[in-house]
Amino acid sequence: DVKVTQSSRYLVKRTGEKVFLECVQDMDHENMFWYRQDPGLGLRLIYFSYDVKMKEKGDIPEGYSVSREKKERFSLILESASTNQTSMYLCASSLPAGGQETQYFGPGTRLLVL
Amino acid sequence: GQNIDQPTEMTATEGAIVQINCTYQTSGFNGLFWYQQHAGEAPTFLSYNVLDGLEEKGRFSSFLSRSKGYSYLLLKELQMKDSASYLCAVYDNYGQNFVFGPGTRLSVLP
Repeated sequence: DVKVTQSSRYLVKRTGEKVFLECVQDMDHENMFWYRQDPGLGLRLIYFSYDVKMKEKGDIPEGYSVSREKKERFSLILESASTNQTSMYLCASSLPAGGQETQYFGPGTRLLVL
Repeated sequence: GQNIDQPTEMTATEGAIVQINCTYQTSGFNGLFWYQQHAGEAPTFLSYNVLDGLEEKGRFSSFLSRSKGYSYLLLKELQMKDSASYLCAVYDNYGQNFVFGPGTRLSVLP
């Protein structure tokens, strides 16, 4: 069975803190994605990666960075957390089939920045 | 530009049929996905359309018209457990990523 795991389900951080969100997939997928999900806005793509050490900006990369040192792991970093980064963060992975393969999602991390 | 539109909320009765519409405008198109997301959980894959027509999978069917930029998800014999958000997503092969609509929250009433 396909599995995507995220390091935390819930996280509370203070403004200015550096935050690490980890995502691990066990399906040997090349593609990995980070989204944030906010009410009324749907899923918005922050960054994605098509291979180890590769990264591409999504629609809302400002304030975030990513790291992909190993194929199975894709990390999202908030360099200096701000209150407007309070959100649900979802990681996903997929095969590199140009959109003909579904994404598999992790359970999400609900981040609250105070 | 990219734009995907869905109704925000819908309500239906247990046992009924409901159709959730999705319209899209993207730079490139290479497939449309429907996902189900229960509150507090991850989205899970429901269906995929890349050619025009209807794809049926049990109680769920999905339809695509590429010329109209239109899809719908049809849920038959509604059950209480179908209460969830339904996300429409298009693969944009220009940007090489998935673009999601805002989601439709479906409430199934007894």
